[in-house]
Parts: sequence; structure tokens; C-alpha cells
Amino acid sequence: GQSLEQPSEVTAVEGAIVQINCTYQTSGFYGLSWYQQHDGGAPTFLSYNALDGLEETGRFSSFLSRSDSYGYLLLQELQMKDSASYFCAVRDPSNDYKLSFGAGTTVTVRA
Amino acid sequence: GAVVSQHPSWVICKSGTSVKIECRSLDFQATTMFWYRQFPKQSLMLMATSNEGSKATYEQGVEKDKFLINHASLTLSTLTVTSAHPEDSSFYICSARRGTGPNTEAFFGQGTRLTVV
Repeated sequence: GQSLEQPSEVTAVEGAIVQINCTYQTSGFYGLSWYQQHDGGAPTFLSYNALDGLEETGRFSSFLSRSDSYGYLLLQELQMKDSASYFCAVRDPSNDYKLSFGAGTTVTVRA
Repeated sequence: GAVVSQHPSWVICKSGTSVKIECRSLDFQATTMFWYRQFPKQSLMLMATSNEGSKATYEQGVEKDKFLINHASLTLSTLTVTSAHPEDSSFYICSARRGTGPNTEAFFGQGTRLTVV
């Protein structure tokens, strides 16, 4: 089975940097994905790490360390519109690469 | 990116009635579609996986007779919540995957907010 842990809530001010950690325990692993979901909306894909290291996409970066079963999503230059829930997810190669999601981290950006 | 359309975006129904939710991949053929349920402030829980032309595979604890899934074509899957009750009120989200294997991304529909009164 799959188990992913991430903090439940994070609050920060505009312009700040937020790091959301995700640790996972999986029977199989093929990459760590991150999704953003605004309240009442659908999840949108942010990033995917299959290999160790840092992937940067604009203000958002994602990191993976497979040896530590750990990854994080880094949100820089926070904006009010970044207030949302962020989910890490893993693909399970033993289960047709289906996504298993963490419980989600609610990020609140204050002025 | 690929577009997945889910309809309706919200629905209110009376207890005991059935509700059908549609999920369409608009610009690609989806070999696999997934149905999730999400309660407030919680994660997405996979309910079932459907492949075109075959029976859906349900996750443990999900009643297949209550949540009927039909995947009649490569662009359309439907979820019917039968004899809905207030505890079925939730946010239902579909996603569609193009192809198979580890590097295929899944794209999500807009979600359907179901309220059973």
C-alpha cells in the first residue's frame, strides 16, 4: 500500500517562501507529483519528479530524494492566489501506476 | 494540456433518487478513467478505475451496485450514484489518462458537487 505524510496547514505572508514536505512509504514507487487545488475546484498538475534533484517551474520548485523517501514543493514569492491545498501523490507501479494522494496541505497567504 | 470536461458541476437531488455524472476527454482518447470522491478538507480517495469496454475495477469498500460506472467509449465515462442518500453528498472528480505506463499523466475534470437532501 501507499502512505504519504504532509503537514496539514501552512500560513505565510505575501512575498514569503513556503516549503511543503512530503514523506512517503510505498510498496512501489515511480515518481512524486504535486497538485494544486483551490477551494471548490479540481486538482491541477504542478510538477513531477521521477529522479532525485530539483525541478524548477517559475515560482514553484519540487525536490525529490528517493533514498530518503522524501520530497518537497517550494513556493516562492507567494501571492494571494497561491492560497490553496497542495497534494503530493505517488504512482504505484504495482497498481497500474495509479495515483495515491497525501492528505493535502492548506496554504493560506496573508497580506 | 489535455482537457477533461465533467458535467454537471453541481447537483442537488432528493434522497432515494439517482444521479448521473459525465466525464469526457475532449481532445484525446482516454484509455483509462478514474473516479474520486473528496470530502471537505480531505484528500482525494480513488473509488474506481474504468477502462473502455470493460467492467470497472472498484477500490475496497466502494459499493459497485451503488456507484455504477460505464465507460462506453474512449472519450466518455459516466458515474451513476443510485438511490442517493445524504451521506453520499461529496465532491466527485474524474480524471482521464491517455495511454498506459509510468509516464502518462492524468488530467482532472472540474468536479461535481453532489448534495443529497
